[in-house]
Amino acid sequence: EVQLLESGGGLVQPGGSLRLSCAASGFNFSTYSMSWVRQAPGKGLEWVSGISAGRGFYPDSVKGRFTISRDNSNNILYLQMNSLRVEDTAIYYCAVGYSTSSAWGQGTLVTVSS
Amino acid sequence: QSALTQSASVTGSLGQSITISCTGTSSDVGGYDYVAWFQQQPGKVPKLMIYNVSNRPSGVSNRFSGSKSGNTASLTISGLQAEDEADYYCSSYSRSTIVVFGTGTRVAVL
Repeated sequence: EVQLLESGGGLVQPGGSLRLSCAASGFNFSTYSMSWVRQAPGKGLEWVSGISAGRGFYPDSVKGRFTISRDNSNNILYLQMNSLRVEDTAIYYCAVGYSTSSAWGQGTLVTVSS
Repeated sequence: QSALTQSASVTGSLGQSITISCTGTSSDVGGYDYVAWFQQQPGKVPKLMIYNVSNRPSGVSNRFSGSKSGNTASLTISGLQAEDEADYYCSSYSRSTIVVFGTGTRVAVL
């Protein structure tokens, strides 16, 4: 059974940094592309990053501030978030794949507030 | 890098069929057969319902079907049931951003 467990969320001040982790199990992690998707309170889904064979992809809204990476030895996906803004407040989900994400974690809440 | 356009809400009666649309451009929906649909019930994690335009993952009811014409993809729910009440999001591979989601459609069942 595929399992994804996010951690690392919390309260951070504007301009601060946070690193999210996603521990994966139940599938051959190293052979799959992975994504981070966020959902602001009461809002829709927004894809914020994806990674395949080491190369990361980002929309303009987070490009230059967020960095995705992975540790295939320990089956962990990361999202380093710098220069955080109030509008980055959201639940952050890790997911298997890109546009057809077949499995999602339960999410971790990031709150950016002073 | 705009989100794909979905109608804000759709309401149907028990047993009825409804269709949700998802409109993009030739750089995303119209250009690739990588459209997916997700169901999100209140307080829950999104669930993949359709992938690659019209394919259903194992375990998803055959009451859910997907299609695409030009730059618009559609999700049809037939035999509407109370448990279908949820938010539905489309997504597509995008030439510019890799992935783009739709704005979301709230389905209400009378």
